[in-house]
Parts: sequence; C-alpha cells; structure tokens
Amino acid sequence: NAGVTQTPKFRILKIGQSMTLQCTQDMNHNYMYWYRQDPGMGLKLIYYSVGAGITDKGEVPNGYNVSRSTTEDFPLRLELAAPSQTSVYFCASRIGQGASNQPQHFGDGTRLSIL
Amino acid sequence: AQSVSQHNHHVILSEAASLELGCNYSYGGTVNLFWYVQYPGQHLQLLLKYFSGDPLVKGIKGFEAEFIKSKFSFNLRKPSVQWSDTAEYFCAVNAGGFKTIFGAGTRLFVKA
Repeated sequence: NAGVTQTPKFRILKIGQSMTLQCTQDMNHNYMYWYRQDPGMGLKLIYYSVGAGITDKGEVPNGYNVSRSTTEDFPLRLELAAPSQTSVYFCASRIGQGASNQPQHFGDGTRLSIL
Repeated sequence: AQSVSQHNHHVILSEAASLELGCNYSYGGTVNLFWYVQYPGQHLQLLLKYFSGDPLVKGIKGFEAEFIKSKFSFNLRKPSVQWSDTAEYFCAVNAGGFKTIFGAGTRLFVKA
C-alpha cells in the first residue's frame, strides 16, 4: 500500500498565485486532515473531512479551501498565495468514527515557499 | 480547550545517554495518547500509543512511555539513545472524535 501520497513535494509560488496541493490515500479511511507545520509551532489543523462530501474548518482555515468528492482524495487549494502561507503542509488520514485510539497516517509533506 | 504541552523544545544528548521527554495534557476525561517521531525530511510516524490497560507502553526502536493519569502526563523514555534517534518528537492527544491535538514538538539531537 502507498498509504498517503502528497504532490508536489516542493513548490515556489509568487504572491497572489494560486495552487492546489494534492492528497490521496488508499486505505479507505473516512477521516482526512490538512495541517501546516511551522518551526517550533507543532501542527496546526487547517481543514478536515469526515467523509466524502463533508468538510469543516480547523484552527487556521483562512486563505485555504478544500473539497472531498471521493473517499480517496482531499485536495487543498490556496487561492491568493501570501508570504504567511510559507510552510510545510501535511495531509493525514485516519480510519474514522469510533476509532479515536487509532493513529493518523501522514503523507511526506509539501514544502511551499511564497515569494 | 484541550492542550498539549511539551516541556523541552530542544534536547541535546550524547549517544548512550538516557532520554526522557515530558508531555502534559489538559483534559479531564478519557484520552488516547500518542507519540509520533519525525526524522529529518520525513513525515510523522507513530512511535507508540496508549488508550487503555497497562499505563507503561512500549513502542518501536526501544521507546516506551508511561501514562500517569493523576499528573495528566505521558512522558517518553529511552534508556540509551543512538545517533539515529535524532529527530523531532510530538506528543498528541485525542479525547474522542475526529480531532487530535499535537504538542509543539521536541527536537532531539544526539551527538555521536
């Protein structure tokens, strides 16, 4: 199994550009998450989804959007890139309801720089 | 609101030294506790977890952690660290539901 796959691994954007970070998982997990990781700040939840067609905001959703049309895919969209969005982005998945004792599975991350 | 506190942001040890990383959480009910490790340039991966039973749990690579309910703590330990343990370590708590709260992380550097 590939687990959680993120693309691209690295990207440089100019201020005001838009892009989509792709995330797909092959474990049939219902729950999916997007985090950003900044030095010394741990992981901050951007958006999450509990199943296809259901998404909700996390702690730091401003400037981002998501969709979940299938169980496998959970893309993250940046509409107008700003320098404050320079970060490492991780996608994660988990089995789902009733499995809060199960760990999340993480992708390899996307390192994004906004210049 | 739930929170997770990791006491040390940076730890430097020599090989063969013992390791203890502190983690405290704020939540009064039943919790599921996790330690994740992130090696340089890699994604987070599970080291160990606790959800019930023996409060002393063993994970991969010789790591263990002890859940002390009265202290709201879940400290990570390893008797003898190796250079390959250089990584960032995250404590995380799930109190049920979708959300897992992560600590800010502790960066461990092991000198060869």
